Amino acid sequence: GAGVSQTPSNKVTEKGKYVELRCDPISGHTALYWYRQSLGQGPEFLIYFQGTGAADDSGLPNDRFFAVRPEGSVSTLKIQRTERGDSAVYLCASSALAEEQFFGPGTRLTVL
Amino acid sequence: GIQVEQSPPDLILQEGANSTLRCNFSDSVNNLQWFHQNPWGQLINLFYIPSGTKQNGRLSATTVATERYSLLYISSSQTTDSGVYFCAVEDTGGFKTIFGAGTRLFVKA
Repeated sequence: GAGVSQTPSNKVTEKGKYVELRCDPISGHTALYWYRQSLGQGPEFLIYFQGTGAADDSGLPNDRFFAVRPEGSVSTLKIQRTERGDSAVYLCASSALAEEQFFGPGTRLTVL
Repeated sequence: GIQVEQSPPDLILQEGANSTLRCNFSDSVNNLQWFHQNPWGQLINLFYIPSGTKQNGRLSATTVATERYSLLYISSSQTTDSGVYFCAVEDTGGFKTIFGAGTRLFVKA
């Protein structure tokens, strides 16, 4: 595809529910990043994939957050037992190795 | 971990004016990028600049890695330049990318 895509664009859920957010990176990009951004702040790093493996997951806030990239392309960020504090825009970016990151439009998650 | 500080936090310009945005970082980094986040929230890569100087139209950037800072220059500003400008660095200890808090720019017509 022409750019990074993310689905859904908006997700509203209730506290305690499970959600999955999807990222389709630019074709051929081996590196994939997940971030979350709260209002008025810069993006906060969550996890980095190189190929299929999570090379750095130091930004995941707790064990309710998990991400996979089983075939080295599409990635899914999974959040269990959502809390109101998880409400944010979740951003995905991809890059060729050691190159600039290209961002998707984000998924706005609202936990009621 | 690395600290990234951006200044000024807010900036209001008259259309046509020039400006300089600054990014300071507290430790050695693998790379540095400048992004523009438009009013619709889309992050657009402006420069990938771990060191040296680059120019792209009315924008240019300089990174002095040994002194741990980078500058983004905007010349002849336009209303479409409004938004938030972020500096982001990659930690040498891993693959973590750390963003600054941003500079919020508003260009008045």
